[in-house]
Amino acid sequence: SQKIEQNSEALNIQEGKTATLTCNYTNYSPAYLQWYRQDPGRGPVFLLLIRENEKEKRKERLKVTFDTTLKQSLFHITASQPADSATYLCALEADSWGKFQFGAGTQVVVTP
Amino acid sequence: GAVVSQHPSRVICKSGTSVKIECRSLDFQATTMFWYRQFPKKSLMLMATSNEGSKATYEQGVEKDKFLINHASLTLSTLTVTSAHPEDSSFYICSATTDSYEQYFGPGTRLTVT
Repeated sequence: SQKIEQNSEALNIQEGKTATLTCNYTNYSPAYLQWYRQDPGRGPVFLLLIRENEKEKRKERLKVTFDTTLKQSLFHITASQPADSATYLCALEADSWGKFQFGAGTQVVVTP
Repeated sequence: GAVVSQHPSRVICKSGTSVKIECRSLDFQATTMFWYRQFPKKSLMLMATSNEGSKATYEQGVEKDKFLINHASLTLSTLTVTSAHPEDSSFYICSATTDSYEQYFGPGTRLTVT
C-alpha cells in the first residue's frame, strides 16, 4: 500500500485568499487521484478526480494538479470563503479497481 | 442525485451485543459498496469491499466474523458488528460506486459501545 502524506497542521487562511493543500505519496503512481471534502461528523463529499495523464483539473473555484514525477497533487481553493472551512482528503486508487486509499486530511479554516 | 443514506446515524449499545448498520443508495444502483471506519483526526480505513450477491472482500486485519457484511441488492448493504466491545467504538462510513470511479459516501454512523 501507499504512504500518503497530507499536512496534519490546520491551514488558517483569510477570506479571499487562495488555500493550497498538498498530497504526497511514496510508491507507485495511481491511474487517478481524487479529492474529497469532509465536514465534522459527516461522510466525505467527492470534489474532483484527476487522471495520471492530466496535469490540471478545474471546477469552479477549485483546481487540482497532478505531478507523477514529484508524486504529488496540489489542491487549490481560490477566493476562499468561510464556508470552505472543512477537512480535505486526497484519495489514491489502490491496487484494485474502485478501491481507494485515503490520506488523513488537512483542515482548512477560512476566517472573515 | 447520487445520494447514499446510512441508518442509524448514532447508536449506543452494551458490550457483547450486536449492531446492524444499513447503507442504501437512494437514487442509483451501486455495483460496489465499501465500508470504512474512521478514528478522530485519522484517515478513513477501508474495512471491506462489498459486491451485490457475492461475499465481501475484507482488508488485512479485519475480522470477517466480527464485521459481517451482507450486500442483498444493488441498493443495500449492511454491516453487523457482532459481540461489540468498547474498542469497536468508532465512526463507520459506507460508500457506493457505479462505474464512474466516484465514490458517494453516506453520512456515517457513530457507534459507541459501553
